[in-house]
Amino acid sequence: EDQVTQSPEALRLQEGESSSLNCSYTVSGLRGLFWYRQDPGKGPEFLFTLYSAGEEKEKERLKATLTKKESFLHITAPKPEDSATYLCAVQAQGGSEKLVFGKGTKLTVNP
Amino acid sequence: GAVVSQHPSWVICKSGTSVKIECRSLDFQATTMFWYRQFPKQSLMLMATSNEGSKATYEQGVEKDKFLINHASLTLSTLTVTSAHPEDSSFYICSAGGQSRDIQYFGAGTRLSVL
Repeated sequence: EDQVTQSPEALRLQEGESSSLNCSYTVSGLRGLFWYRQDPGKGPEFLFTLYSAGEEKEKERLKATLTKKESFLHITAPKPEDSATYLCAVQAQGGSEKLVFGKGTKLTVNP
Repeated sequence: GAVVSQHPSWVICKSGTSVKIECRSLDFQATTMFWYRQFPKQSLMLMATSNEGSKATYEQGVEKDKFLINHASLTLSTLTVTSAHPEDSSFYICSAGGQSRDIQYFGAGTRLSVL
């Protein structure tokens, strides 16, 4: 069974204090790993897709990396507007496009 | 681009009534649409996958007669919660795929409260 575990469950940072979020996964053949941002009461907003180990993608203060067992979302010099829940999901190889999500990391950035 | 609209954003209904939620892809054709359910502090749980013009595929444990899904066009899917009960109260979110490789774009979600 495909599984995604995210840590920590919650993270509080001061503005400008860089850190990383972890997403560990087990999947029967990885087709893609996805990072989303979710604000309270809203649907997830797509951030990145990673397809193979060693791949990295960046967007503003966010950088996502991928290994064969986990992915990291690095946040450099975060701002209060980066506060949100960050969700990781995996998609397995095969015919289904199904995403399996982790529970997310709730990030709070204090000014 | 890749905008998914979900309506309504919030609905309150009485126990035993049915509620319909719409999900539309506004600027692309969605070959596949997905319906998720999310409880507080929990991950998104896939309920069903629907392809335009065919029957939805439901995940194990999801009652297909209770959660009716219709995907009548490449831009519209609907979820009807039939004979809703308080335990059906949750946050329902749709997503649509087909615009970019493997990426699902999500609607804003619908908060359902059953009294």
